[in-house]
Amino acid sequence: KNQVEQSPQSLIILEGKNCTLQCNYTVSPFSNLRWYKQDTGRGPVSLTIMTFSENTKSNGRYTATLDADTKQSSLHITASQLSDSASYICVVRGFSGGYNKLIFGAGTRLAVHP
Amino acid sequence: GAGVSQSPSNKVTEKGKDVELRCDPISGHTALYWYRQSLGQGLEFLIYFQGNSAPDKSGLPSDRFSAERTGGSVSTLTIQRTQQEDSAVYLCASSSLYGYTFGSGTRLTVV
Repeated sequence: KNQVEQSPQSLIILEGKNCTLQCNYTVSPFSNLRWYKQDTGRGPVSLTIMTFSENTKSNGRYTATLDADTKQSSLHITASQLSDSASYICVVRGFSGGYNKLIFGAGTRLAVHP
Repeated sequence: GAGVSQSPSNKVTEKGKDVELRCDPISGHTALYWYRQSLGQGLEFLIYFQGNSAPDKSGLPSDRFSAERTGGSVSTLTIQRTQQEDSAVYLCASSSLYGYTFGSGTRLTVV
């Protein structure tokens, strides 16, 4: 079982609508959590990074939340645009075998239709 | 350079040929990861290098895949006898205690 689970696996919404993507993790101890946007055929681009003490962080139309108690994060996209169509990846930084380690979710593929 | 550099950015190869993908991590980053993303699929972990420790190869899909990291820096992912299902974007990421960065990926197309 992956230590970082994302849902839904894929999502289709109409342009202008809002959506929320979920990331649940079991990584412990936890260092930080980052959301990435990856356009098809391109490398991922960081949207937000959140540490243990942060609950909400915004980047334009993207708002990430973190509940470190329940080990859940969400990425909310408001007023979606066609250019939001991409994969959204949740990456958790934890500790494994004495080292910092990144654990990647499998991503949510978002399609925004006109 | 300031970022993670991957080369080539695009590679088209014939089925059955071998390919090598290269990743130049950020200087000083001790950890390096290889992932791939096939069309319409999620991110798939391949292999993880951490310092001088034995790599975590648990994500390599078959024995046609191998990777090495020489001198704790540059890494090469080798795919032997490529198959069409190997077509994907291969991503490299490196990290230190202070941050991590993705490369822009190599798009591999097997025809």
